[in-house]
Amino acid sequence: EAQVTQNPRYLITVTGKKLTVTCSQNMNHEYMSWYRQDPGLGLRQIYYSMNVEVTDKGDVPEGYKVSRKEKRNFPLILESPSPNQTSLYFCASSKTGISYEQYFGPGTRLTVT
Amino acid sequence: DQQVKQNSPSLSVQEGRISILNCDYTNSMFDYFLWYKKYPAEGPTFLISISSIKDKNEDGRFTVFLNKSAKHLSLHIVPSQPGDSAVYFCAASAGGSNYKLTFGKGTLLTVNP
Repeated sequence: EAQVTQNPRYLITVTGKKLTVTCSQNMNHEYMSWYRQDPGLGLRQIYYSMNVEVTDKGDVPEGYKVSRKEKRNFPLILESPSPNQTSLYFCASSKTGISYEQYFGPGTRLTVT
Repeated sequence: DQQVKQNSPSLSVQEGRISILNCDYTNSMFDYFLWYKKYPAEGPTFLISISSIKDKNEDGRFTVFLNKSAKHLSLHIVPSQPGDSAVYFCAASAGGSNYKLTFGKGTLLTVNP
């Protein structure tokens, strides 16, 4: 089954404790991206990757890091999480670029206290 | 500044009637537009897209219209069904080598039986 998986699905952590949210896709997609969804703000792009070792900033990259060492994985790293990073996070992938349908993961609910 | 605007936070229609969801954009470089549907506790799913070289794209009950001069697009759902009740996001990209995707804040559509 073609899918994008994210782990963990739910996470409660404390300020400053480094964390990683994993994202994996099994469709051999070149393009992957991370978004956050906040009430009243919709979906905002954090980072995206056009291919292995190629990443670029989205609209809200501050406080986040990503890496793309292999095609299927695109982890999101919060080196020092803060309460304003409490949000619902989605990973997505598509065949190439954005002109193809993006497949989204189920989301990760992160709470930073 | 908000480059993709969905000015109606919510819309309620009767089953069988037409649903019209609107989206405005300000960036004249945007040349590819997408609509995504999102149910609670799930990731967004791709619905339909349109390139700026077209003014209409149809897929079953869903039609997207693009008015480039007005920087406006709309999603028509005919006939509306209760299962269409979801949040609908409009998204846009400048294409070319720019793979950033900018989303609107979303419109909650409720289709009443």
